[in-house]
Amino acid sequence: GDSVTQMEGPVTLSEEAFLTINCTYTATGYPSLFWYVQYPGEGLQLLLKATKADDKGSNKGFEATYRKETTSFHLEKGSVQVSDSAVYFCALSDLKTGNQFYFGTGTSLTVIP
Amino acid sequence: DVKVTQSSRYLVKRTGEKVFLECVQDMDHENMFWYRQDPGLGLRLIYFSYDVKMKEKGDIPEGYSVSREKKERFSLILESASTNQTSMYLCASSLTGSSSYEQYFGPGTRLTVT
Repeated sequence: GDSVTQMEGPVTLSEEAFLTINCTYTATGYPSLFWYVQYPGEGLQLLLKATKADDKGSNKGFEATYRKETTSFHLEKGSVQVSDSAVYFCALSDLKTGNQFYFGTGTSLTVIP
Repeated sequence: DVKVTQSSRYLVKRTGEKVFLECVQDMDHENMFWYRQDPGLGLRLIYFSYDVKMKEKGDIPEGYSVSREKKERFSLILESASTNQTSMYLCASSLTGSSSYEQYFGPGTRLTVT
């Protein structure tokens, strides 16, 4: 079945450091891939998405490239800020399984000044 | 902007009580979902619905039921609340027909059962 595996946390970085959060997936069809962010006390909100192989999603300085050959969708940011402290979830949606989403377990990021 | 609202941000109930969590979306989405979120476990799907009066079990339906009488509203019911149902509950909605459609989430309800 479909699944998402993402890097365990928590991750602690200094401000302006480079961020990578790894995400790999298993899917039977042709999924779309997503990164969601959850700030403290809030629901999840979409950060970026990619709908086919080699697509790059980007938003707020974050990027992720849909790599079909390695079944990966790693999240990167060149210079993190304190305001990026949040929990990040990788997810996939596969039309073959209806419109269900499959989420990773989340990676908590803390950025210290 | 799509808006998903949940009836309460925080709720405290006693063991054995019947609990209703309400979710409303304002963008005419066909799909609606209920998840619970627990530390270290991520999001787990409880129930989802593709249309009015339709429901499908997710990964952890035991102890829960749902109701969707109107397209915009999806209710989660805890028939007899137990302490192991203390959790954050998240509602989401989406369009149907393409895997590229994102899910939109409400702010969550933090339920404590004592």
